[in-house]
Amino acid sequence: EVQLLESGGGLVQPGGSLRLSCAASGFTFSSYAMSWVRQAPGKGLEWVSGISNSGGGTYYADSVKGRFTISRDNSKNTLYLQMNSLRAEDTAVYYCAKKGGGSCYNRMDVWGQGTTVTVSS
Amino acid sequence: DIVMTQSPDSLAVSLGERATINCKSSQSVLYSSNNKNHLAWYQQKPGQPPKLLISWASTRESGVPDRFSGSGSGTDFTLTISSLQAEDVAVYYCQQYYSTPSTFGQGTKLEIK
Repeated sequence: EVQLLESGGGLVQPGGSLRLSCAASGFTFSSYAMSWVRQAPGKGLEWVSGISNSGGGTYYADSVKGRFTISRDNSKNTLYLQMNSLRAEDTAVYYCAKKGGGSCYNRMDVWGQGTTVTVSS
Repeated sequence: DIVMTQSPDSLAVSLGERATINCKSSQSVLYSSNNKNHLAWYQQKPGQPPKLLISWASTRESGVPDRFSGSGSGTDFTLTISSLQAEDVAVYYCQQYYSTPSTFGQGTKLEIK
């Protein structure tokens, strides 16, 4: 069974840092691009970042560019999101999602349950 | 960035009736090299992650009931639920994956009338 399990969320002060992880299982992780999508409380979905299957291509929303870094360790079947200089508006549930192919230009066919990030003093 | 606009924002339909949700993109999401529309539909129920229903504008995912269908091309797309069931109450999102940043519509909340 294909599974994605996010971890690393929590409460952090404005300006602080957090690293999210997404452990993948049930599929050949190194063959698929991955993404992070977030959802602020009571709001819609916002794509945050994507990474190609090899890790050679990374993409970011303007709202997080320069502050967040996406990466992956294909030997550990794990996706990461390093979040620095966090702001109140980064408060959201963060989902990792598997893409349907190796390129980021594909649908998100499997989603994790999400991890909650709260930025507050 | 490509802006995705859904209509309506909310919709109430009687059980067994048809529900139609529209999605319009600010530019075409039809990729000429593969002649595919890079457009997906997701369903999100309260407290759950989104679930992929339709990809490439009209390809239903495995296990998705056939009452769900997608249509359209270029900039105008539609998600249709042919006969609404109680378990279809959810928020529905369209998403383009033609270019980065990938963008979602604002969501359509579907309820039972």
